[in-house]
Amino acid sequence: KAGVTQTPRYLIKTRGQQVTLSCSPISGHRSVSWYQQTPGQGLQFLFEYFSETQRNKGNFPGRFSGRQFSNSRSEMNVSTLELGDSALYLCASSLIRGRGAETQYFGPGTRLLVL
Amino acid sequence: AQTVTQSQPEMSVQEAETVTLSCTYDTSESDYYLFWYKQPPSRQMILVIRQEAYKQQNATENRFSVNFQKAAKSFSLKISDSQLGDAAMYFCAYRRVSNTGNQFYFGTGTSLTVIP
Repeated sequence: KAGVTQTPRYLIKTRGQQVTLSCSPISGHRSVSWYQQTPGQGLQFLFEYFSETQRNKGNFPGRFSGRQFSNSRSEMNVSTLELGDSALYLCASSLIRGRGAETQYFGPGTRLLVL
Repeated sequence: AQTVTQSQPEMSVQEAETVTLSCTYDTSESDYYLFWYKQPPSRQMILVIRQEAYKQQNATENRFSVNFQKAAKSFSLKISDSQLGDAAMYFCAYRRVSNTGNQFYFGTGTSLTVIP
């Protein structure tokens, strides 16, 4: 099976712009989670989508939003970019069974630089 | 709220030696999963090992094994016969068993250096 894919891999934007990142989960995985990774803050949970519905949300401002499509692919959007949004954005997918998700499998990430 | 603590920001080990990375967590749940992930310089997060809390037997994957102490809420990772390719950032993670959410909680990571 193909792994989790994320596009684009690298992105440079300027303050005030908006950006959309895409994630395609492993085939059959219906749960997709997004994380922001920065050197100072580590891995911060953004949100999780399952069956096109947001189930969990981390402590991020409303500028960060996401959605999931019927094929489980997910996008996250950041509006009005700030310098502090520069980070590695990781997407992870999970197979949901009776006991919930057993494991998250991560994509290679999208490195966003805001100038 | 669940928290995961990795008290060792950096560790080093001689090639072929054994190293243990520490992780503690805080939870009031009795059923949950614990994970160790590895993030090499490529930044790709790779699952190393997984432990289910209801299983008393410690998980093992080749050179990687865990010491799961449920009462102490401790979950350490032992890497035997360390190799240069083991050099990476290692993250401990926790997830409670739930069908209503899939939130994983990560520690701040331990950077492992392998000395040739």
